[in-house]
Amino acid sequence: DAGVIQSPRHEVTEMGQEVTLRCKPISGHNSLFWYRQTMMRGLELLIYFNNNVPIDDSGMPEDRFSAKMPNASFSTLKIQPSEPRDSAVYFCASSLTGISGNTIYFGEGSWLTVV
Amino acid sequence: DAKTTQPTSMDCAEGRAANLPCNHSTISGNEYVYWYRQIHSQGPQYIIHGLKNNETNEMASLIITEDRKSSTLILPHATLRDTAVYYCIVRAPSGNTPLVFGKGTRLSVIA
Repeated sequence: DAGVIQSPRHEVTEMGQEVTLRCKPISGHNSLFWYRQTMMRGLELLIYFNNNVPIDDSGMPEDRFSAKMPNASFSTLKIQPSEPRDSAVYFCASSLTGISGNTIYFGEGSWLTVV
Repeated sequence: DAKTTQPTSMDCAEGRAANLPCNHSTISGNEYVYWYRQIHSQGPQYIIHGLKNNETNEMASLIITEDRKSSTLILPHATLRDTAVYYCIVRAPSGNTPLVFGKGTRLSVIA
């Protein structure tokens, strides 16, 4: 299996620009998670979906952030407009809800720098 | 907030066993103990998880105390490639409960 695939791996953008991060979960998985990692705050959950439906978006920092999951194989995290404080590594993760445990698998992250 | 307490950092000599402790004194009866690690510049990697019995896989062993208030992750023969931040996480198994990360333990394997 290819694992969780994220794109772009690295992005540098100017303040005020729109940023779209993309995620393809592991085939067959029905839960998807977006995390953000910074030196100051560590790994934080932003939002997660179950069967393409957002379950909890309380971690989304503000209205500039939005996430969608139009189908089981694709999700986006959008920042509009971007600000320098949004610079971080954004991780997407997925899992399959099951009886014996539902291990969450992470992608390699999207490194975002807003200048 | 994370429900676990881990030492900030540890060192281990290459080839020796690395024993990483974790306290989770408020764990509930149905919550599992998960361990992940994050090697620099990579996404968190699943290692192992358990409920109350000791578990072993190709990467590590997990020892959970009988009262389930603490656990130890054991890397039997640490290599330089095991240098990473190790996270101990308590998580309910039902549905799609997210992982809540604390600060973890930074393990340095020294040649």
